[in-house]
Amino acid sequence: SQQGEEDPQALSIQEGENATMNCSYKTSINNLQWYRQNSGRGLVHLILIRSNEREKHSGRLRVTLDTSKKSSSLLITASRAADTASYFCATDPSGSARQLTFGSGTQLTVLP
Amino acid sequence: DSGVTQTPKHLITATGQRVTLRCSPRSGDLSVYWYQQSLDQGLQFLIQYYNGEERAKGNILERFSAQQFPDLHSELNLSSLELGDSALYFCASSPQQGRGETQYFGPGTRLLVL
Repeated sequence: SQQGEEDPQALSIQEGENATMNCSYKTSINNLQWYRQNSGRGLVHLILIRSNEREKHSGRLRVTLDTSKKSSSLLITASRAADTASYFCATDPSGSARQLTFGSGTQLTVLP
Repeated sequence: DSGVTQTPKHLITATGQRVTLRCSPRSGDLSVYWYQQSLDQGLQFLIQYYNGEERAKGNILERFSAQQFPDLHSELNLSSLELGDSALYFCASSPQQGRGETQYFGPGTRLLVL
């Protein structure tokens, strides 16, 4: 079963607009990561936020984490056509499990 | 380029057959992970190896097996293949045992079972 669920499943915006994707998860976590996948390619790590952090920035990316609501959001500012991809959140659950659990992904399309 | 390599890129085979997928982790990474990505199941964790030993097991079928060799490359063996095994298979690596680490993904092997 998948720990994280992204919302929306698909998002289409114009170039220059901001894109926000949300992720909800079920169990307590050590950290949460966001990955990007271009069609049919491998996943690329974007950013990691630890459970004791609330917000993190990396370039045009801003990630927030609310552990009380078990949710995270990824904001991409000033989007570009090259940002078109699927975005996945992945959680590193607390406890004995070591593996990342990926959500179902948000398909982002940025129109030129 | 993540530094993780996977071969072959594409594989077409028939039901009932057996295939082997190969992965070379990033230089210095000790953990290797295998994932299966299909349209209906999404990205599913299969198994993790750390420094040659199995470390964690996910939704891996009994028909599937993996191993990590002394040079740290890994192979995923899929046997008695079924149509439903058609998917993208990704390998990822990380420096240590995985807790709190970024995983670096290879380009994947696309398996088509006819």
